[in-house]
Amino acid sequence: DAGITQSPRHKVTETGTPVTLRCHQTENHRYMYWYRQDPGHGLRLIHYSYGVKDTDKGEVSDGYSVSRSKTEDFLLTLESATSSQTSVYFCAIRPDRGRGHPSLHFGNGTRLTVT
Amino acid sequence: AQSVTQLGSHVSVSEGALVLLRCNYSSSVPPYLFWYVQYPNQGLQLLLKYTTGATLVKGINGFEAEFKKSETSFHLTKPSAHMSDAAEYFCAVLYSGGGADGLTFGKGTHLIIQP
Repeated sequence: DAGITQSPRHKVTETGTPVTLRCHQTENHRYMYWYRQDPGHGLRLIHYSYGVKDTDKGEVSDGYSVSRSKTEDFLLTLESATSSQTSVYFCAIRPDRGRGHPSLHFGNGTRLTVT
Repeated sequence: AQSVTQLGSHVSVSEGALVLLRCNYSSSVPPYLFWYVQYPNQGLQLLLKYTTGATLVKGINGFEAEFKKSETSFHLTKPSAHMSDAAEYFCAVLYSGGGADGLTFGKGTHLIIQP
């Protein structure tokens, strides 16, 4: 898992509640990503980060915000969860250089259900 | 803009038969190309990648892929399917000058192995 831990692994929440998912890396890489995976859509990029406090929007960023106050942690927040945000969320990191570059290395995912 | 098309959401082959999973990409600049595999309830694992150099790329578990610029293709093959190859496979592209950009994924192909 390339030193990536996602928490929680599973979460059930109610519509309208805030939810925060955490991604923690031990690799000290600059680039981090949040994707969601849905049947028939593959993986779609939500937000990404290129350093502490440096983030940008991806393809499906509406309804999501992110924060990165430390290199090792990248948080994804659903301010007010909706049923359309029921999905599996994956965090990924990308080495700046070296053998692993420019591939993404993924965590094991968080399965979020919004009821 | 870059995009990936995987032909066939489901592919079924017999054990021992050739596996061929098709991927076509769209990119206005030289791409980096990837194949990932996902087993049930797990994250994505890198099978192989093309960045520069040799156009025939060998990966893990006996898989290989060939970058064909003239056909904008990066099809994944394995000479002899094994039951353990049953999984979801994703093709992905990265714009080689994209900096922090994340990978763009296809919608995935579910590989079924018949005994």
